Amino acid sequence: EADIYQTPRYLVIGTGKKITLECSQTMGHDKMYWYQQDPGMELHLIHYSYGVNSTEKGDLSSESTVSRIRTEHFPLTLESARPSHTSQYLCASRLQGGTGELFFGEGSRLTVL
Amino acid sequence: KNQVEQSPQSLIILEGKNCTLQCNYTVSPFSNLRWYKQDTGRGPVSLTIMTFSENTKSNGRYTATLDADTKQSSLHITASQLSDSASYICVVSAKNAGNMLTFGGGTRLMVKP
Repeated sequence: EADIYQTPRYLVIGTGKKITLECSQTMGHDKMYWYQQDPGMELHLIHYSYGVNSTEKGDLSSESTVSRIRTEHFPLTLESARPSHTSQYLCASRLQGGTGELFFGEGSRLTVL
Repeated sequence: KNQVEQSPQSLIILEGKNCTLQCNYTVSPFSNLRWYKQDTGRGPVSLTIMTFSENTKSNGRYTATLDADTKQSSLHITASQLSDSASYICVVSAKNAGNMLTFGGGTRLMVKP
């Protein structure tokens, strides 16, 4: 079982609230990713990091921001949530090089009312 | 542009039957191809990895094939079970500095009793 954890699993909040989705991994992986996935749809990369103090935007434009101050921690923040942000957010990590297996967290399902 | 196309988009089969899922890619230079299984509401989990030199690999009732010449892979599920109901995602890794990943849209499989 992968040692990558996301909190909260489920979150229902009102429009305009600031939220932070937490993601931590204990595998010492350099690379970490955030994906957004609507029900029954494909995964879209919104942010990634190749190491501490390194963050990049993914293929899908997102109003969220990320930080990577510690190797094991990669939180995602929405300053002002809107109903259009309602989705499932999946965090993943993998080792630099190697065979590149992605280890995913269980996901955070966000609902913005 | 690197692309991964999966077919069919969705599939319904009866328990005990076999099925084959397809993945075509245009990722270059190619490093490896992974099949992931994603249960509803969970994060994807790797089933198998195929590298350039491998043609066939089995993991229990799952058998993956790779034809590097035609850039096609398949995932064959034998004697399907209800627990096989999930999305199956093909992910191709490029052999470049970041080992960039390209995701397919997934095949949603439903196994009915």
